[in-house]
Amino acid sequence: DAGITQSPRYKITETGRQVTLMCHQTWSHSYMFWYRQDLGHGLRLIYYSAAADITDKGEVPDGYVVSRSKTENFPLTLESATRSQTSVYFCASGGQGLFTDTQYFGPGTRLTVL
Amino acid sequence: KQEVTQIPAALSVPEGENLVLNCSFTDSAIYNLQWFRQDPGKGLTSLLLIQSSQREQTSGRLNASLDKSSGRSTLYIAASQPGDSATYLCAVPPRGDAGGTSYGKLTFGQGTILTVHP
Repeated sequence: DAGITQSPRYKITETGRQVTLMCHQTWSHSYMFWYRQDLGHGLRLIYYSAAADITDKGEVPDGYVVSRSKTENFPLTLESATRSQTSVYFCASGGQGLFTDTQYFGPGTRLTVL
Repeated sequence: KQEVTQIPAALSVPEGENLVLNCSFTDSAIYNLQWFRQDPGKGLTSLLLIQSSQREQTSGRLNASLDKSSGRSTLYIAASQPGDSATYLCAVPPRGDAGGTSYGKLTFGQGTILTVHP
């Protein structure tokens, strides 16, 4: 199916465990993004990638690791999950057009860290 | 640092009303502004993207305006319907960066939760 998908959709884990959230897009978009959405903070950028093997920090990168070996995939890893990382995580992708391209969002992953 | 504010935080209206959602931003050196819609439990969907050289964009019953000098954008929804119920967010990129290094580092407002009653 064309589009952007995230897995898992729901995840419960414990403090200290490593968790990887997956994101896959079929448009061959150059740019991919990870956001977290929390009450009171809104939507905040964690990491983004301009192309395969090119990543950069966003507003709240601490505690997260990303990689992008293939254009279509952009996994987000929480190396040692903390309760403050309980959130809804959204992946997004976008094309090359700086002035005209929007971002396309996945359905989100709801992560709970106990 | 860019700050984006949306007013009101929540809005409840009867079906058929015309309504206006407001978005303000602190740094006017932007090259576009976007409006998104988010349904409960879902991701964001782009509604309108206004380039800095434009003053308005229209899509169906939606009309978005941009006034860079005053740091404001409005989203006008005509003849509201219950299906319009959702959270509406505006977002802006970093100041004046057309070189691509900060492309996509959007700053979002907190959103306006809209409820349209039948």
